[in-house]
Amino acid sequence: EADIYQTPRYLVIGTGKKITLECSQTMGHDKMYWYQQDPGMELHLIHYSYGVNSTEKGDLSSESTVSRIRTEHFPLTLESARPSHTSQYLCASSGTRGRVYNEQFFGPGTRLTVL
Amino acid sequence: AQSVAQPEDQVNVAEGNPLTVKCTYSVSGNPYLFWYVQYPNRGLQFLLKYITGDNLVKGSYGFEAEFNKSQTSFHLKKPSALVSDSALYFCAVRDRSTDKLIFGTGTRLQVFP
Repeated sequence: EADIYQTPRYLVIGTGKKITLECSQTMGHDKMYWYQQDPGMELHLIHYSYGVNSTEKGDLSSESTVSRIRTEHFPLTLESARPSHTSQYLCASSGTRGRVYNEQFFGPGTRLTVL
Repeated sequence: AQSVAQPEDQVNVAEGNPLTVKCTYSVSGNPYLFWYVQYPNRGLQFLLKYITGDNLVKGSYGFEAEFNKSQTSFHLKKPSALVSDSALYFCAVRDRSTDKLIFGTGTRLQVFP
């Protein structure tokens, strides 16, 4: 198992609530990613970061925001949750050793349900 | 643009039989290719990767994949399937300009006893 953690694992909340999904890794990786996974299983990249103070929007538009104040921490925030945000959210990280690209390591995911 | 395709939504195989999960790619330049597996209610687990070198790559849990440049394929294989191999399998290619991974749509593998 990779050293990347996500909390909570499951979350059920009401519409309009503000939520933060936590993601932490202890591998010292510079790159971190957030994916949203459909019930139909496709993965969509919604945010990524190349390092501290770097954040970029991914391929799928998302109303969520992220921050990267510390290397090991990459939280995702929804200011006002809606039922359309119901999904599985996966966090991942990767690093480079010299010039070799290394694979992404994934956390266990947070399954979010917005009522 | 870089892309990968997994032409099969589901693959069914009997336990003990060989299995193949297909993946084709489209990239400019030399590809970095990956296979991941996802068990229910879990994140993705890395299985194997092709960066350079031997076309046959061996990975975790007895899986291997063959890189075929002429056919632009990177099919995942296992000589003898186990019921516990039943899961969702994703092929991915690295976008070298952005360092992002581009995932296929996934293939559900069902191994029957």
